[in-house]
Amino acid sequence: DAKTTQPPSMDCAEGRAANLPCNHSTISGNEYVYWYRQIHSQGPQYIIHGLKNNETNEMASLIITEDRKSSTLILPHATLRDTAVYYCIVHVNTGNQFYFGTGTSLTVIP
Amino acid sequence: AAGVIQSPRHLIKEKRETATLKCYPIPRHDTVYWYQQGPGQDPQFLISFYEKMQSDKGSIPDRFSAQQFSDYHSELNMSSLELGDSALYFCASSLRSTEAFFGQGTRLTVV
Repeated sequence: DAKTTQPPSMDCAEGRAANLPCNHSTISGNEYVYWYRQIHSQGPQYIIHGLKNNETNEMASLIITEDRKSSTLILPHATLRDTAVYYCIVHVNTGNQFYFGTGTSLTVIP
Repeated sequence: AAGVIQSPRHLIKEKRETATLKCYPIPRHDTVYWYQQGPGQDPQFLISFYEKMQSDKGSIPDRFSAQQFSDYHSELNMSSLELGDSALYFCASSLRSTEAFFGQGTRLTVV
């Protein structure tokens, strides 16, 4: 069952920050927020995950609201190679699957 | 760094034939997941294994079976293939249930 809601599509100008929202209002206390992306027909690529604190790595930043009911993935300087479908997934680290919903198709425009 | 290896990358089979897909996880990863992705669809979870035991099952047809071996590689066996089985099949691995890393997939075409 879907536990996250994402906009189906977004555009972003090259070089600008891409902010991808995700709603997960029914998230449980032990569920993490994970982000993956899939570039056309390639294997999904892990981006970042977090529990309640904001996280940053070399690819992106993850901002989680204080009530944990929503989050935003930020790609600070989008490039054409960031065009992909981005999936927000809630997952408990004792769970045995990652459920992919419908994701957001991000198009980076030159 | 070593990644998840899937073989073959492409496979063409006829209806009613059998196919075996193989997955070699990242070294020291103990959990393997299998996903199916049809054309224009999102990845659908099939089955997962933790320490060589089945740990979760999704929408996997009864015609499909899978196992994880002592060296942690996994195989997905698909029998009585149907046209609708044509899809990308992804394997992923993780250390316990933390972030999973995906292979490049096997594209199965049933003709």
